[in-house]
Amino acid sequence: KNEVEQSPQNLTAQEGEFITINCSYSVGISALHWLQQHPGGGIVSLFMLSSGKKKHGRLIATINIQEKHSSLHITASHPRDSAVYICAEGGADGLTFGKGTHLIIQP
Amino acid sequence: NAGVTQTPKFRVLKTGQSMTLLCAQDMNHEYMYWYRQDPGMGLRLIHYSVGEGTTAKGEVPDGYNVSRLKKQNFLLGLESAAPSQTSVYFCASSSGIAFFGQGTRLTVV
Repeated sequence: KNEVEQSPQNLTAQEGEFITINCSYSVGISALHWLQQHPGGGIVSLFMLSSGKKKHGRLIATINIQEKHSSLHITASHPRDSAVYICAEGGADGLTFGKGTHLIIQP
Repeated sequence: NAGVTQTPKFRVLKTGQSMTLLCAQDMNHEYMYWYRQDPGMGLRLIHYSVGEGTTAKGEVPDGYNVSRLKKQNFLLGLESAAPSQTSVYFCASSSGIAFFGQGTRLTVV
């Protein structure tokens, strides 16, 4: 079973700061997922990637297959980015999740 | 498009009672999943299905049963609820990217 570790567990930053959340996994993967869980509890998929880099708006996800490491970056952070960000790996037989990073962006 | 819909959203059960959680998706996805989320544990896979009529065990299947009689529906059953099954349950469907339901908060007293 793949182990998925995230850091940091908690992160508080000021509006406008560049945010980085890290994810590492123990064995080879089929795909790496980044998800966002809103304070109300809903979960939304942000990215699925197996190599390189993806960008959507102010969010950027990168993965280094050799180092078994992925990062999620948020540029020009805003209070509405406050949420739990979750890294997960897996494919058709389901996802294995990290425990999440609780991000608070203060105005 | 409704996406993935779970019912009910909240439920309180007494120990030993049974219930069924319903998950419905309208995206024609083959793959469907049930996860539970507990504080400090992250999400964990209970059961999953790779197509109509198929089911398989995940990481924490004990105490749960599932059925996928129709492609769009995936049911999670608790035959005899226990306090350890107090959790938030999420259904998901996938074609690669995962789409999640809004969650069911279950309390077993």
